[in-house]
Amino acid sequence: RKEVEQDPGPFNVPEGATVAFNCTYSNSASQSFFWYRQDCRKEPKLLMSVYSSGNEDGRFTAQLNRASQYISLLIRDSKLSDSATYLCVVTADDKIIFGKGTRLHILP
Amino acid sequence: EAGVVQSPRYKIIEKKQPVAFWCNPISGHNTLYWYLQNLGQGPELLIRYENEEAVDDSQLPKDRFSAERLKGVDSTLKIQPAELGDSAVYLCASSIYYGHYEQYFGPGTRLTVT
Repeated sequence: RKEVEQDPGPFNVPEGATVAFNCTYSNSASQSFFWYRQDCRKEPKLLMSVYSSGNEDGRFTAQLNRASQYISLLIRDSKLSDSATYLCVVTADDKIIFGKGTRLHILP
Repeated sequence: EAGVVQSPRYKIIEKKQPVAFWCNPISGHNTLYWYLQNLGQGPELLIRYENEEAVDDSQLPKDRFSAERLKGVDSTLKIQPAELGDSAVYLCASSIYYGHYEQYFGPGTRLTVT
């Protein structure tokens, strides 16, 4: 099992819809979790941290499920500008591991 | 506030040639990271510095890659000799300290080895 796994997509979603994707991790001792966003041919940028109690920032909600070892990202009322690759990041054993990313296309 | 600066932005070299990338992190950021990113993949950590000390270089191919951060500020990543498989984007990132995980990335250097 890979350390951090994401569905590569692409997820093609109409504007205004709600979309969610998950990221699974293999190390049960993983400590910190994040979602980064990366636009085409640009650098990754932090979208949000994922806390045990969940985290909401506007249209974005992140959840952590330690029992099943995954984190999720929910985007409500999707905008064209949400089209990007979403990278899951997990820290474990003093290491930072990026997932391969999930590509999201918001359709007009 | 200036972001992470990298140069060059693009580099094309022939295989077996040397190449170097430079990174200047955000002022005051003690932790500096070098990543390699291939198309369709997530960034893979090559080396992490805490100030001038390389604290994690376990994924750095030391036969051909080297890095330095002499004064704990800017850093250089070198490849000698380059191979075709080294073609990728090399990203530099910094954070205030390792426990503060928000990393700020530079624009990257896109390397093409022919």
